[in-house]
Amino acid sequence: NAGVTQTPKFQVLKTGQSMTLQCAQDMNHEYMSWYRQDPGMGLRLIHYSVGAGITDQGEVPNGYNVSRSTTEDFPLRLLSAAPSQTSVYFCASSYSILSGSYEQYFGPGTRLTVT
Amino acid sequence: GESVGLHLPTLSVQEGDNSIINCAYSNSASDYFIWYKQESGKGPQFIIDIRSNMDKRQGQRVTVLLNKTVKHLSLQIAATQPGDSAVYFCAEIQYGGATNKLIFGTGTLLAVQP
Repeated sequence: NAGVTQTPKFQVLKTGQSMTLQCAQDMNHEYMSWYRQDPGMGLRLIHYSVGAGITDQGEVPNGYNVSRSTTEDFPLRLLSAAPSQTSVYFCASSYSILSGSYEQYFGPGTRLTVT
Repeated sequence: GESVGLHLPTLSVQEGDNSIINCAYSNSASDYFIWYKQESGKGPQFIIDIRSNMDKRQGQRVTVLLNKTVKHLSLQIAATQPGDSAVYFCAEIQYGGATNKLIFGTGTLLAVQP
């Protein structure tokens, strides 16, 4: 299994541009989520999904959209990039956050810079 | 709102010593906690978890202690090695009906001195 994969690894955007961060997992996990991590800080939950067709907001959802059309993929869209969105973005997945095991598998991260 | 936080942002220990990383949580309803390790340039990696019906859980060289009375969680690493140098996060499950969320604390940097 490849686990959780994220693309791209690095991205530079200009203010106002839009883009999609890709996340895929091949472990048939139901639960997927997106976090951002700012320097010297913990991970903050942006959006999450408990299964295909179901998404919900996390702690910091503004400026981001998600969709979950398949179990495998969970893309994160930046609608109009702002310098405040400069961060490292992590995607994670687990079997089910309701299953009793909450071990999440994280991707390698996407480092985004907005100028 | 409710949150998970850490007492110490950095912890420096000598190789071979035991390390103790602390975490305070404010949501008394939380009943599931996880410790993650994040090495530089990588995503977080699951270390160990504990439920509120337990006070202690042991893994390989790691022990998690839970004190529900004072809402405190700790991660003990025995015989700390250079490879243990990383940022350690505690996280809690916040329950929201049909959907639960995993919320992370700020993190503690563990620096192991040779």
